[in-house]
Amino acid sequence: EAQVTQNPRYLITVTGKKLTVTCSQNMNHEYMSWYRQDPGLGLRQIYYSMNVEVTDKGDVPEGYKVSRKEKRNFPLILESPSPNQTSLYFCASSFRRTGWDEQYFGPGTRLTVT
Amino acid sequence: GESVGLHLPTLSVQEGDNSIINCAYSNSASDYFIWYKQESGKGPQFIIDIRSNMDKRQGQRVTVLLNKTVKHLSLQIAATQPGDSAVYFCADALSLGGTSYGKLTFGQGTILTVHP
Repeated sequence: EAQVTQNPRYLITVTGKKLTVTCSQNMNHEYMSWYRQDPGLGLRQIYYSMNVEVTDKGDVPEGYKVSRKEKRNFPLILESPSPNQTSLYFCASSFRRTGWDEQYFGPGTRLTVT
Repeated sequence: GESVGLHLPTLSVQEGDNSIINCAYSNSASDYFIWYKQESGKGPQFIIDIRSNMDKRQGQRVTVLLNKTVKHLSLQIAATQPGDSAVYFCADALSLGGTSYGKLTFGQGTILTVHP
């Protein structure tokens, strides 16, 4: 089954404790992206990757890091989480850089930073 | 897309009616536009897209209209059903040159409620 998986689905952590949210897709998609979703603000793009070893900032990259060492994986790293990073996070992937056709979203990771 | 504050716009319709959801985008250079549907507890789901060289595109029960002059996008849903109840987001993308797209900007979203 074609899908985007994220782990963990739920995470409660404390300020400053490094964490990684994993994202994996089994569709051989070139493009992957991370978003955060906050009430009243919609989805905001954090980082995206056009292909392996190619990443770029979205609208809200501060406080986040990403890496794309393999095509299927695109982890989101919070080196020193802060309470303002409490949010619902979505990973997404799509096949072609030349158009979106259909961007598949993962189920979401709800992160709480206390 | 653009943010319009903390309260999402809402649209309430009766089953069988047609729905029109509107979206304004701010970047006049954007040349690719997408509508997504997000049901409660799930990630967004692609509905339909349109490129800036078009002003209308139709899918199954859905039509997207693009007015580049006023930077406005709309999604029309025909014969709306209770299963259409969700939050609908528009998104716009900026071409990186040629046909490559990178950053995607989402609108705030509109809550559609369909009453049986």
